[in-house]
Amino acid sequence: DTAVSQTPKYLVTQMGNDKSIKCEQNLGHDTMYWYKQDSKKFLKIMFSYNNKELIINETVPNRFSPKSPDKAHLNLHINSLELGDSAVYFCASRGPNEQFFGPGTRLTVL
Amino acid sequence: DAKTTQPPSMDCAEGRAANLPCNHSTISGNEYVYWYRQIHSQGPQYIIHGLKNNETNEMASLIITEDRKSSTLILPHATLRDTAVYYCIVTANFGNEKLTFGTGTRLTIIP
Repeated sequence: DTAVSQTPKYLVTQMGNDKSIKCEQNLGHDTMYWYKQDSKKFLKIMFSYNNKELIINETVPNRFSPKSPDKAHLNLHINSLELGDSAVYFCASRGPNEQFFGPGTRLTVL
Repeated sequence: DAKTTQPPSMDCAEGRAANLPCNHSTISGNEYVYWYRQIHSQGPQYIIHGLKNNETNEMASLIITEDRKSSTLILPHATLRDTAVYYCIVTANFGNEKLTFGTGTRLTIIP
């Protein structure tokens, strides 16, 4: 069973579109995260949610809006996509000792 | 969180021990040392963490110097599947910690 899953795995879209990436964890964790890994491979945290409440927001443009319908899901909605949004987005959930990462969603904005 | 310094790349022969160093000279007393790795195109994977004592699990050993200003991750018998970027992270936020990833060490296991 996959612990942290993301859909879709690949997403190719035009500038200006709105898109969503979904994340689900079946580990029973309360805290989930979104990270962004850019073309230079720097991995940076974007958001953290604890039990559906926003805990961390790392100066991400407000075009990015995370949504947590329940503590097992943390989705990322992006409005008005820009070229610079092209990256790999990783979802993670927090266990007692470590974070568990999903397989990533590669977003390409044309 | 304290800054960490790692060599950008290392090679290790298959079957040998891989020793990955990390400097964290500004570490505070309540900060933990975490190690994660990222195999190509996959999400980061937790390896091990410690506060001041040496730690060992099924994946690796973590040796932290007595002054806590540096540490070494040891993969005892490296395999080709251990080829990855290894990140040393120092963080005090053990509750809802945010992990601040640096540039890491690209470890290549050579057959």
